[in-house]
Amino acid sequence: DVKVTQSSRYLVKRTGEKVFLECVQDMDHENMFWYRQDPGLGLRLIYFSYDVKMKEKGDIPEGYSVSREKKERFSLILESASTNQTSMYLCASSLAGGGNQPQHFGDGTRLSIL
Amino acid sequence: AQSVTQLGSHVSVSEGALVLLRCNYSSSVPPYLFWYVQYPNKGLQLLLKYTSAATLVKGINGFEAEFKKSETSFHLTKPSAHMSDAAEYFCAVTGQGAQKLVFGQGTRLTINP
Repeated sequence: DVKVTQSSRYLVKRTGEKVFLECVQDMDHENMFWYRQDPGLGLRLIYFSYDVKMKEKGDIPEGYSVSREKKERFSLILESASTNQTSMYLCASSLAGGGNQPQHFGDGTRLSIL
Repeated sequence: AQSVTQLGSHVSVSEGALVLLRCNYSSSVPPYLFWYVQYPNKGLQLLLKYTSAATLVKGINGFEAEFKKSETSFHLTKPSAHMSDAAEYFCAVTGQGAQKLVFGQGTRLTINP
């Protein structure tokens, strides 16, 4: 089974801090994704990466950046955390393909910005 | 471009009753469609996917979904609900050649004893 591991289940940070969320997958997947999940809004894509050192903006990239130095690891960075970034963050990975590859998800990080 | 609409943010059924969760999509290319389930404090787990083979797709835990191109729908059903089916369900769409999924808003399913 594919394992996607997010480093923290719960995280509390303060406004203005730089925050790192880490994600590791163990199935040699080419694609990795970061979403945020808010009630009533479903999942919204922040950034994704289809190869090492490659990244593309998703639907809501403002206030975030990402890093992918190794194939198995994809980091989400909040440059200067704000209270409106309090949310559940989900990481996912998938094989490269023509869109028919399912994404595999981690258990999420619930982030609170005080 | 793709989009997904899930009709009903909350659905409540009795144990043993039919479960029907509705999903309508729009896509400018032939779509691939997915249903995911999310249990409390967990990530999303794939239930089933449609990738242009059979229009009736069977998934895990007794769920199935039917792709209807004429209605642009991909509704999820289960003949008999179990208490363990209580969760949030997400429909998602992507298109041929695309890597990104577009998710619906989610439907929270409650099972009444």
